[in-house]
Amino acid sequence: EAGVAQSPRYKIIEKRQSVAFWCNPISGHATLYWYQQILGQGPKLLIQFQNNGVVDDSQLPKDRFSAERLKGVDSTLKIQPAKLEDSAVYLCASSSQSGFQETQYFGPGTRLLVL
Amino acid sequence: GQQLNQSPQSMFIQEGEDVSMNCTSSSIFNTWLWYKQDPGEGPVLLIALYKAGELTSNGRLTAQFGITRKDSFLNISASIPSDVGIYFCAGRFSGGGADGLTFGKGTHLIIQP
Repeated sequence: EAGVAQSPRYKIIEKRQSVAFWCNPISGHATLYWYQQILGQGPKLLIQFQNNGVVDDSQLPKDRFSAERLKGVDSTLKIQPAKLEDSAVYLCASSSQSGFQETQYFGPGTRLLVL
Repeated sequence: GQQLNQSPQSMFIQEGEDVSMNCTSSSIFNTWLWYKQDPGEGPVLLIALYKAGELTSNGRLTAQFGITRKDSFLNISASIPSDVGIYFCAGRFSGGGADGLTFGKGTHLIIQP
């Protein structure tokens, strides 16, 4: 079974530029998450989708971050404009459905460096 | 957002030694999870705990869900070189469909042969 796919793996941009990340979850997984992992810290949830609807975006900085999952499969996370403090690894995870016994499987992440 | 208090931050041990790390929270969770992350990869689930007081093993790994639902520990017995990496605890409180994980800052395990 293929895992969670993410691209690009690395991205370097200058502050105030825009950037987008793509995630393809495990086939059939209805729930998709985006996490931000700053160096030296654990991942922090940004947004959770159930199919194509947003379940939780309470920690998403909505003035510059946006995410969509239009057809309930792939998802994109966008930052516009980027700040220096956005340098981090952006992890995508998926689970078959939401629920406290459902396992979240993580992708390899996209490493973003903002100069 | 909340992060869990995970300790120790790093451990330098000899191969063959046992390892113990723990995690505490000011909030209760109904799931505790332990993940391992290797460089350049995403976290991989090691053990999941679903009930207060539960003690679960996975090979050389043992973890427990604290009775207060605010803490958990992970033990690794007879460490080997491939145990090197960063270990994260994570808590989940599912409600209204929202079940994102809250992570600790990680324990960096370094093994000297």
